[in-house]
Amino acid sequence: EAGVTQFPSHSVIEKGQTVTLRCDPISGHDNLYWYRRVMGKEIKFLLHFVKESKQDESGMPNNRFLAERTGGTYSTLKVQPAELEDSGVYFCASSQDFGTMNTEAFFGQGTRLTVV
Amino acid sequence: DAKTTQPPSMDCAEGRAANLPCNHSTISGNEYVYWYRQIHSQGPQYIIHGLKNNETNEMASLIITEDRKSSTLILPHATLRDTAVYYCIVRVGGGYSTLTFGKGTMLLVSP
Repeated sequence: EAGVTQFPSHSVIEKGQTVTLRCDPISGHDNLYWYRRVMGKEIKFLLHFVKESKQDESGMPNNRFLAERTGGTYSTLKVQPAELEDSGVYFCASSQDFGTMNTEAFFGQGTRLTVV
Repeated sequence: DAKTTQPPSMDCAEGRAANLPCNHSTISGNEYVYWYRQIHSQGPQYIIHGLKNNETNEMASLIITEDRKSSTLILPHATLRDTAVYYCIVRVGGGYSTLTFGKGTMLLVSP
């Protein structure tokens, strides 16, 4: 079974440009999460999808970030326009929660974004 | 915002048990204790979780004190590949709660 896959693994863009990150969750996982780690900081939650709906987007830093999950399958995270402080590693995770049961979240390898 | 306290770093000799402590004195009755680790340049990896009872799986054991204010992750026979940052996270049970990562413990396993 394929794990969570993220594309690209690395991206270097200039300030002001647009970048789109993609995440393919594990098949059948309704929950999809975006996290990021900026240099020297802790891993921070950005956003949570349940199928195609945004369950919690309290961690999104500002309106330059747009996340979508059309059809409840893969998700994209677009940064437009990118700023220097957006540099970091963006992680995607997916999980399959069954009511009150706890199941673990599986993380992808991350996309390392560098804005120059 | 993390509700856990962990030592910043620990050392362990290869083949020995690694015991990683975590304090979560403000844990609520419906919060689970989760452990994840992040090996360099990889995404976080789930290890184990528990509510009250001690838990064991193929990777590790989790010992939770009776008052649930602290726990210990045990890697019974640490290998070099266990060198990673280990995160202890408390998370509300069920549904849609997310993970709040703190600074974690950097475990260095040496030959």
